Amino acid sequence: DAKTTQPPSMDCAEGRAANLPCNHSTISGNEYVYWYRQIHSQGPQYIIHGLKNNETNEMASLIITEDRKSSTLILPHATLRDTAVYYCIVRGTAGGTSYGKLTFGQGTILTVHP
Amino acid sequence: EPEVTQTPSHQVTQMGQEVILRCVPISNHLYFYWYRQILGQKVEFLVSFYNNEISEKSEIFDDQFSVERPDGSNFTLKIRSTKLEDSAMYFCASTSRGNTGELFFGEGSRLTVL
Repeated sequence: DAKTTQPPSMDCAEGRAANLPCNHSTISGNEYVYWYRQIHSQGPQYIIHGLKNNETNEMASLIITEDRKSSTLILPHATLRDTAVYYCIVRGTAGGTSYGKLTFGQGTILTVHP
Repeated sequence: EPEVTQTPSHQVTQMGQEVILRCVPISNHLYFYWYRQILGQKVEFLVSFYNNEISEKSEIFDDQFSVERPDGSNFTLKIRSTKLEDSAMYFCASTSRGNTGELFFGEGSRLTVL
């Protein structure tokens, strides 16, 4: 699976949009971009994933550049409860041997301030 | 909403003792995983399990570790002879699709080895 690079930490004001960047310049054509978050020491929580089109769900939006070498997770109206570590993960698809394994990096610590 | 449940939430054991961590994955899921997170470090993949056998394991998952799905609902991780360095949070995860399905994680079992 391709490696990802994320800033170690970011701050955001409550109510503002939080934009979390991720670089994955070695991503291959059949690899998806996944975002998870971990609040304190809880289990990682799935947020969103995409292949090449932008995606939106009730939690967030995912913007993937046309060359797929980077992406941005957008939390449109951050709340204090969004303070967490956010992980950008590139994951292979069927045909490989990863059987869906996710490889976590260090992630971005997002702190939402009042 | 269906969820992955793990027991115990916290276990304290003496070095050299056997420990079994239990997980109940989401009922229609077919792929199962164990991860661990040492305090302050990243989430690390241990093992994936599909069709009643290990599909992939990491270097961490040595002969001291084993997994089992004994009754079609539980998924267990056994550590035969615990070491101090096994102290960590252990997360179970499951998914219905091994390639593109999102992984759902439990809240974790904290293991403390004294």
